[in-house]
Amino acid sequence: EVQLVESGGGLVKPGGSLRLSCAASGFTFSNAWMSWVRQAPGKGLEWVGRIKSKTDGGTTDYAAPVKGRFTISRDDSKNTLYLQMSSLKTEDTAVYYCSTFPYIWGQGTLVTVSS
Amino acid sequence: QSALTQPASVSGSPGQSITISCTGTSSDIGTYNYVSWFQQHPGKAPKLMIYDVSKRPSGVSNRFSGSKSGNTASLTISGLQAEDEADYYCNSYTSSSTYVFGTGTKVTVL
Repeated sequence: EVQLVESGGGLVKPGGSLRLSCAASGFTFSNAWMSWVRQAPGKGLEWVGRIKSKTDGGTTDYAAPVKGRFTISRDDSKNTLYLQMSSLKTEDTAVYYCSTFPYIWGQGTLVTVSS
Repeated sequence: QSALTQPASVSGSPGQSITISCTGTSSDIGTYNYVSWFQQHPGKAPKLMIYDVSKRPSGVSNRFSGSKSGNTASLTISGLQAEDEADYYCNSYTSSSTYVFGTGTKVTVL
């Protein structure tokens, strides 16, 4: 079964850092371009960023609101995608989804940035 | 990159057809055929309904169809059913090598 499972969400203070993980199974993770998408409470979807497969260069692209603060990485030996978030702001509060965009989505993990 | 523009709400009676529009610019929808549509029920993850403007993933009902003209993409749901009541989002690849979502449309089945 194709599956993505996010973890690592929680409560963090403004200015703090947090790392999310996304465990993949049921498909060849190393060949997949992976994305993070977020959704603030009661709001719409927002694309966060993407990492290409290492075969395709392994490069990353980010949305303007997170560029310079968030870093996407991958460990193909562990079939795991990461999102390192730093300098967090209250407006980063959201459910974060990982995805083989646009096809497969995880169930999401909630990040709350609050003092 | 501004969000793509969708109507806030669309409604229809069971069996009817509805169309949701998604308006972008020449930097996204107008140039690229990487337009996707997602359905999201409350508390659930988004589900891909249409990709590459008009392609349907395996398992998605053929009542859902997509198209594009100029800077505007559209999602049509025919034979509307109660289970189609949900939020719908469009998405497009952009000239900045990023993706942008639409503002979202709430579909109500009367």
